[in-house]
Amino acid sequence: DIVMTQSPDSLAVSLGERATINCKSSQSLLYSFNNNNYLAWYQKKPGQPPRLLISWASTRESGVPDRFSGSGSGTDFTLTISSLRAEDVAVYYCQQYYSTPPYTFGQGTKLEIK
Amino acid sequence: QVQVVQSGSEVRKPGASVKVSCKASGYTFTSYAINWVRQATGQGLQWMAWVNPYSGDAGFAQKFQGRITITMNTSISTAYMELSSLRSDDTAVYYCARRAAAGYWYFDLWGRGTLVTVSS
Repeated sequence: DIVMTQSPDSLAVSLGERATINCKSSQSLLYSFNNNNYLAWYQKKPGQPPRLLISWASTRESGVPDRFSGSGSGTDFTLTISSLRAEDVAVYYCQQYYSTPPYTFGQGTKLEIK
Repeated sequence: QVQVVQSGSEVRKPGASVKVSCKASGYTFTSYAINWVRQATGQGLQWMAWVNPYSGDAGFAQKFQGRITITMNTSISTAYMELSSLRSDDTAVYYCARRAAAGYWYFDLWGRGTLVTVSS
């Protein structure tokens, strides 16, 4: 199974500042035949289901604010929130969909306001 | 409105089984695979299983092999996940989630979750 490891486990950022969350996979998520990285990011708030933010490592879903961006390739990926807002407080998860099941998630990064 | 709606909370004793439903609406049920993901209290997300409503093909995480059964009723656009031989560490919120597109296993539509509590 592909192991997904996020860092840090928790993060406190001031409103308006940048938040950066990292995700590392135990093997490359880049398919050479299409040059796509099979990596998604989700936002999870208490009492709510996960919300898909980004697919293909950097493609923002419809309706997701442009302060959210994804980057990286191969085994190392980053989710960046350019200017933190109070409503961004949540746990963020990366997920790989490169291989056959299981489609593994990272352990999550808890983002709070400093 | 495109959505998947899950059944309500359940309480079971250790050793029992639970069956959770996931009813799709607003889209063609047979066009998108349904997945099951759970989150135990204070834990992360754990992918459990998938089913293709068109073909009936299904797959499971090895952890749940032998304990999980996925069924469907396409006439009412509903998928079911049954977990047997429940243990206390199966206490979790169980989500159904739609695969975004054929062959691409990220999940764009989620149910609100079903809390399953296993307690004697």
